[in-house]
Amino acid sequence: DAGVIQSPRHEVTEMGQEVTLRCKPISGHDYLFWYRQTMMRGLELLIYFNNNVPIDDSGMPEDRFSAKMPNASFSTLKIQPSEPRDSAVYFCASSFLGIRNTGELFFGEGSRLTVL
Amino acid sequence: GENVEQHPSTLSVQEGDSAVIKCTYSDSASNYFPWYKQELGKRPQLIIDIRSNVGEKKDQRIAVTLNKTAKHFSLHITETQPEDSAVYFCAGDKLIFGTGTRLQVFP
Repeated sequence: DAGVIQSPRHEVTEMGQEVTLRCKPISGHDYLFWYRQTMMRGLELLIYFNNNVPIDDSGMPEDRFSAKMPNASFSTLKIQPSEPRDSAVYFCASSFLGIRNTGELFFGEGSRLTVL
Repeated sequence: GENVEQHPSTLSVQEGDSAVIKCTYSDSASNYFPWYKQELGKRPQLIIDIRSNVGEKKDQRIAVTLNKTAKHFSLHITETQPEDSAVYFCAGDKLIFGTGTRLQVFP
């Protein structure tokens, strides 16, 4: 397996623009997680899915953020409209076991977002 | 909700010395505690984990200890090498990560 695949690797956009980050989890993994990493706040869990269903989105900062998982092999994280404070590295991760009985999280290489 | 606190935020050691990073958690029902290593510009990767039915686990130069009564667990790295330099994250079993420890090993 190629691992968790994220795109784009880098995105530079202007404030107010819509940003869509994409993730393909490892085949057979039934949990998918979106994290945001900044120097100030570390790794923050934004939302996670189990079998394509959002389970906990309490980490999503505000209504400008939304995430979907239309099928087992694809998820998106959308920011609309984007703001400079959204600049961060966004990681997608997948695992076979989820919350409370957790196995290894496999992270993608991350999408570095810069909002000017 | 679950809260995981990690200390110290930075740690500098001489090559060959030991390094210890400590995390405390709030949810007494937690039973899985992983440690991830993130090298500069790379993704976090699991290096060791422990479940609540054991108090200690070792893998070569790294070990993790768990004290369920005190609700804390620690990562121990012995005989540190320059390639151990990275940011280390602990997490609870709700996959809430600590704020990270930047470890620098000087040759």
